[in-house]
Amino acid sequence: DGGITQSPKYLFRKEGQNVTLSCEQNLNHDAMYWYRQDPGQGLRLIYYSQIVNDFQKGDIAEGYSVSREKKESFPLTVTSAQKNPTAFYLCASSDTGTGGGGTGELFFGEGSRLTVL
Amino acid sequence: AQRVTQPEKLLSVFKGAPVELKCNYSYSGSPELFWYVQYSRQRLQLLLRHISRESIKGFTADLNKGETSFHLKKPFAQEEDSAMYYCALDTGRRALTFGSGTRLQVQP
Repeated sequence: DGGITQSPKYLFRKEGQNVTLSCEQNLNHDAMYWYRQDPGQGLRLIYYSQIVNDFQKGDIAEGYSVSREKKESFPLTVTSAQKNPTAFYLCASSDTGTGGGGTGELFFGEGSRLTVL
Repeated sequence: AQRVTQPEKLLSVFKGAPVELKCNYSYSGSPELFWYVQYSRQRLQLLLRHISRESIKGFTADLNKGETSFHLKKPFAQEEDSAMYYCALDTGRRALTFGSGTRLQVQP
């Protein structure tokens, strides 16, 4: 079954703990993205990566970290520095960055819901 | 900075009525604009993009640079159109900026 796989779907964390959300794709896409979705605020870009071993901060990167060691994987770590981490997190990939060559269409995972207790 | 505004959180229409979901953007350059849709219990997916100039599921959207708008329209709404719709903007940084979304409810 091809596509984007995010895990876990639900995650609970105590305050002060770091947590890592997994995102794997088997679409052979170069670009991957992390968005945060809050009610009434739509999707906000956290980090994105156009190619392996490279990534850029999005609009709300503070308190988050990522790595892109493999083309198919783009894990997101929510650190204890993130002041309001409870949210729904969406991962996406595209065959190239939107605005560049290729279709640029984003393919999304099913999301991970993080709750801080 | 780039910004996408969708002024309506909820739009409720009856089946067969025309639909217009509003989207305004702020960006001084040449943008690429998209509409994404999320049906109940499904993943967020691309509906259409302005450069394609195509009609998908009866929906069309025209980029109006003078008004900085990219409204989504459909002449006759169907119940299966009920979903969450997001307008999105790419300013060339190769990542999309999304609006806050509009929930469309099509009543029978």
